[in-house]
Amino acid sequence: AQTVTQSQPEMSVQEAETVTLSCTYDTSESDYYLFWYKQPPSRQMILVIRQEAYKQQNATENRFSVNFQKAAKSFSLKISDSQLGDAAMYFCAYTSGTYKYIFGTGTRLKVLA
Amino acid sequence: DTAVSQTPKYLVTQMGNDKSIKCEQNLGHDTMYWYKQDSKKFLKIMFSYNNKELIINETVPNRFSPKSPDKAHLNLHINSLELGDSAVYFCASSQGVQGHNEQFFGPGTRLTVL
Repeated sequence: AQTVTQSQPEMSVQEAETVTLSCTYDTSESDYYLFWYKQPPSRQMILVIRQEAYKQQNATENRFSVNFQKAAKSFSLKISDSQLGDAAMYFCAYTSGTYKYIFGTGTRLKVLA
Repeated sequence: DTAVSQTPKYLVTQMGNDKSIKCEQNLGHDTMYWYKQDSKKFLKIMFSYNNKELIINETVPNRFSPKSPDKAHLNLHINSLELGDSAVYFCASSQGVQGHNEQFFGPGTRLTVL
C-alpha cells in the first residue's frame, strides 16, 4: 500500500531565511504525482507545488521549490525568503492517478519575526 | 467568486441525529471528493466521484452516504451521528479524467457531535 510520511511535526524558521520540509513516500508504481499543499489557520487548503514523477526536473513556483529524489522516494519542499504569511500546516500528498490521494500527517511551519 | 463552496461552515449536533453537508463547485471540474480531517489534522479521503459516478469509497461506514445530483454538486449525508464523526470535512474538485490533477478545496465544515 502506498504511504506518505512527514517526519517533522513542527518546524520553525526566521523571516527571510530558508527552510526545508521533508516528505518520503512508498509506492511500487513507476508513474505518479506528488503535491505540497498549504493549510493556513483559515483552514483553506491551497496547492503550493506539483511534481510529475516522470519529470526529472524539480518543480519550482516562485519562492517554493522541491527536491525530488525518485530513487530515494523523497520529495522535500524548500521555502526561500520565508515570510510571515508562509506560517501554516504543509501537507505532502501522493496519487498514482486513480483519484485516490494520500496525504501525509502534515508539518506545522512557524515563521519567526 | 467562490470556486468550491460548502454549507454549512459549522455544524453542532447531538449524537444520533442525521445531518447533511452540501458542496458546490463552479470550476467545471469532472471529479469531486470528500475528505475527513481529524483533530490531529490527519486528512483522509472518503469518497471520489467522477461525472456523478462513485469511483472511490474508502471503507467509510454506510452511515455516510454521498449524493451527486450533477457534476457541480456533491453532498454528504450522515445518519446516526457518533462522537467519532466530529471532524472537519472538506469537499474538493479536480479537472480531467486522469485522477492526478490539482485538487481545489472548499473551506471545510467543522462538525461537532455532542
